[in-house]
Amino acid sequence: DTEVTQTPKHLVMGMTNKKSLKCEQHMGHRAMYWYKQKAKKPPELMFVYSYEKLSINESVPSRFSPECPNSSLLNLHLHALQPEDSALYLCASSQEPDRGTTGELFFGEGSRLTVL
Amino acid sequence: GQSLEQPSEVTAVEGAIVQINCTYQTSGFYGLSWYQQHDGGAPTFLSYNGLDGLEETGRFSSFLSRSDSYGYLLLQELQMKDSASYFCAGEYNFNKFYFGSGTKLNVKP
Repeated sequence: DTEVTQTPKHLVMGMTNKKSLKCEQHMGHRAMYWYKQKAKKPPELMFVYSYEKLSINESVPSRFSPECPNSSLLNLHLHALQPEDSALYLCASSQEPDRGTTGELFFGEGSRLTVL
Repeated sequence: GQSLEQPSEVTAVEGAIVQINCTYQTSGFYGLSWYQQHDGGAPTFLSYNGLDGLEETGRFSSFLSRSDSYGYLLLQELQMKDSASYFCAGEYNFNKFYFGSGTKLNVKP
């Protein structure tokens, strides 16, 4: 199984709502990532988890709250978002950090978020 | 984050060869990956250079020169389905990947 599965595929929320994006992989990868991608722009790194611990937060506003409940799951909790947060949110994983790098990220299809 | 620069758009005809360049910042640099992304799709991995030199994977090759802080993706025998956006991604301080500005490749018949 070489898939990263993200749910939901589409999400529309108001600025006062609380919602969550979910990501799951069963490749035994121990590094997981959240990226944000606006139209016609590159993916922007948001968070990196390594062995279920948050290792990188790219100065993301606190209205985005990541969580890694176990080695297969990654969540992104959303609260009080702004319309400019509307984007494609991509989850990715890569192999165990202490086994060396292949430089390969496995991406899910993304969750397209619209904030009204 | 780190800055990686690419040409914004390249156009070529079917069957041709095209090279997409990427320049990157060196502090903490570990290696360079390349990804393809079709409109509405997710990025898919093409190649990785952890060492200087050329890596070949079918019609795609990638090159890295650390001394020049530069890499490129070479696409041969272009096909219409290669029309997509291509991103270099620098790996920094191990497992931290920053994407380049992206190059839109248009393949014409």
